[in-house]
Amino acid sequence: EVQLVQSGAEVKKPGESLKISCKGSGYSFTSYWIGWVRQMPGKGLEWMGIIYPGDSDTRYSPSFQGQVTISADKSISTAYLQWSSLKASDTAMYYCARLGFGSPYGMDVWGQGTTVTVSS
Amino acid sequence: NFMLTQPHSVSESPGKTVTISCTRSSGSIASNYVQWYQQRPGSAPTTVIYEDNQRPSGVPDRFSGSIDSSSNSASLTISGLKTEDEADYYCQSYDSSNVVFGGGTKLTVL
Repeated sequence: EVQLVQSGAEVKKPGESLKISCKGSGYSFTSYWIGWVRQMPGKGLEWMGIIYPGDSDTRYSPSFQGQVTISADKSISTAYLQWSSLKASDTAMYYCARLGFGSPYGMDVWGQGTTVTVSS
Repeated sequence: NFMLTQPHSVSESPGKTVTISCTRSSGSIASNYVQWYQQRPGSAPTTVIYEDNQRPSGVPDRFSGSIDSSSNSASLTISGLKTEDEADYYCQSYDSSNVVFGGGTKLTVL
């Protein structure tokens, strides 16, 4: 079974750093792009960026360029989303998803989500 | 950058048919594929339509997608509505520089 399992909920203070993870299983992790999507409380989905774990080619949404870093460790089939200095406005649910359809940007398998709460 | 505009909410009775629209603000809707995602309360999104009108395995054929170049919009149609279809639905597409989600439509099945 193809699965993406994300790390658990996080509670952080403004200014702290954070790295959340997304572990793939049941398929060749290096052969599919992984995307990250933000959902702020009570709001819609926002595209953050994607990474190809095979060669770590990474592309960011203009809205998130410079705000987060997307990375991957193919040896452990895991993608990451990290912040160097969190803000209260980073409070959201974050989803990873596999871009598994033949067409660009279609996401066929989603992780369960990681809640990030940033509060002083 | 372009936007995808969806109605904020729609409602319909069980057994009926509902259509949710997704209008692209600039650029042709036919130039880039459209996906549709369903998100039930408290759950991660799932894909119900990809590549404009393709259903992933396991998605019932009550769900269908289409595009209309004349209105520059995509549509998700759900027939034979069931209470389990009550959810938020998001369209998604892209251009050369970005990937965009619509704002989402809350479907109420009453």
